[in-house]
Amino acid sequence: DAKTTQPPSMDCAEGRAANLPCNHSTISGNEYVYWYRQIHSQGPQYIIHGLKNNETNEMASLIITEDRKSSTLILPHATLRDTAVYYCIVRVAHGRGSTLGRLYFGRGTQLTVWP
Amino acid sequence: DGGITQSPKYLFRKEGQNVTLSCEQNLNHDAMYWYRQDPGQGLRLIYYSQIVNDFQKGDIAEGYSVSREKKESFPLTVTSAQKNPTAFYLCASTQIQGRNTEAFFGQGTRLTVV
Repeated sequence: DAKTTQPPSMDCAEGRAANLPCNHSTISGNEYVYWYRQIHSQGPQYIIHGLKNNETNEMASLIITEDRKSSTLILPHATLRDTAVYYCIVRVAHGRGSTLGRLYFGRGTQLTVWP
Repeated sequence: DGGITQSPKYLFRKEGQNVTLSCEQNLNHDAMYWYRQDPGQGLRLIYYSQIVNDFQKGDIAEGYSVSREKKESFPLTVTSAQKNPTAFYLCASTQIQGRNTEAFFGQGTRLTVV
């Protein structure tokens, strides 16, 4: 079972910020939050990950609440190419116990960016 | 460029035949994984391997087999015992130690049973 809950779909106007929420109320202290996205019929692409501090890279920002029970992925200026399914995943990041074998992909959020 | 390569991109199989999907990575990653994705669904784990000559069953291993004879290769065989093999198959790899532990995915193989 997926350890995260995401809305099944969202939409956003091109050029506006897209804010994708994720609930992970049972997250453990050593589990990171990872975000991936999948464009139709391609392999998922890594976006960003974090433990408890907010993170930013060239693709997105990740805001994690203080209690770590939820997070938000922010695409600051969404483009049509950002239309994809976005997956929020929690997993331990290091060591042989921390494999993708313990990483569950739910159905994600289908983000549609419209012109 | 480093990456993970799956082949072929499209594969057709007759019922009752075994078929092997290739997955190769040159990222020097320790761990490799196979997922299955059905239309409108998330990814379900078939098998994973953390080290050469060792692998573990995932959630839906029945009807599938794997091998890990080399670090860079993790082929998946879909056997005739898999009752509903038509799906999109994704291979992934990840480093286990160090700073960069994100997963890298191949572009997938779409298998159709005819």
